[in-house]
Amino acid sequence: NAGVTQTPKFRVLKTGQSMTLLCAQDMNHEYMYWYRQDPGMGLRLIHYSVGEGTTAKGEVPDGYNVSRLKKQNFLLGLESAAPSQTSVYFCASSSWRDGNEQFFGPGTRLTVL
Amino acid sequence: RKEVEQDPGPFNVPEGATVAFNCTYSNSASQSFFWYRQDCRKEPKLLMSVYSSGNEDGRFTAQLNRASQYISLLIRDSKLSDSATYLCVVNVWNFGNEKLTFGTGTRLTIIP
Repeated sequence: NAGVTQTPKFRVLKTGQSMTLLCAQDMNHEYMYWYRQDPGMGLRLIHYSVGEGTTAKGEVPDGYNVSRLKKQNFLLGLESAAPSQTSVYFCASSSWRDGNEQFFGPGTRLTVL
Repeated sequence: RKEVEQDPGPFNVPEGATVAFNCTYSNSASQSFFWYRQDCRKEPKLLMSVYSSGNEDGRFTAQLNRASQYISLLIRDSKLSDSATYLCVVNVWNFGNEKLTFGTGTRLTIIP
């Protein structure tokens, strides 16, 4: 099993550009999450999904949109990137079958100039 | 007050020593607790869950004090490979929604 994978691993954007981060998991997990991690701030939840076709806002949702059209994929979109969105983005998935342990992807390092 | 607070460190500890971290949480409705480990520029990984009665996994011992709202992690006979950032994580279930709150982490460096 690959676990949780994220693409791309690195990306540099200019202010105002858009992009989509892709998260995929092969563990048949119901729940999926997008976090951002900034120095001194810890991991903060952006959006999450409790199942295919459903999404919900987390702690810091502004400037981001998500979609979960398939159970194994969770997409994070930035419609108009801003320098404040420079961060490391982690995707995670979990299931009650695994004791709700969150399994994380390797992260995407995004820089917005 | 932050929901989950940790001493950021760094803790620089000689190999073989014992080191302990505490983490405090503010929400008394918190139901489950975890320690995650994060290596430099890598993703967080679950180290251990924290149970009410305390639990041990090899050299690692986790304790929960609900009355004082803190959890602790003790590492005995520390190894160079224990160098990492340790994240305290607190979970609150609210009307079917799970809210996982991460601390900012405590950085540990084991010195040869």
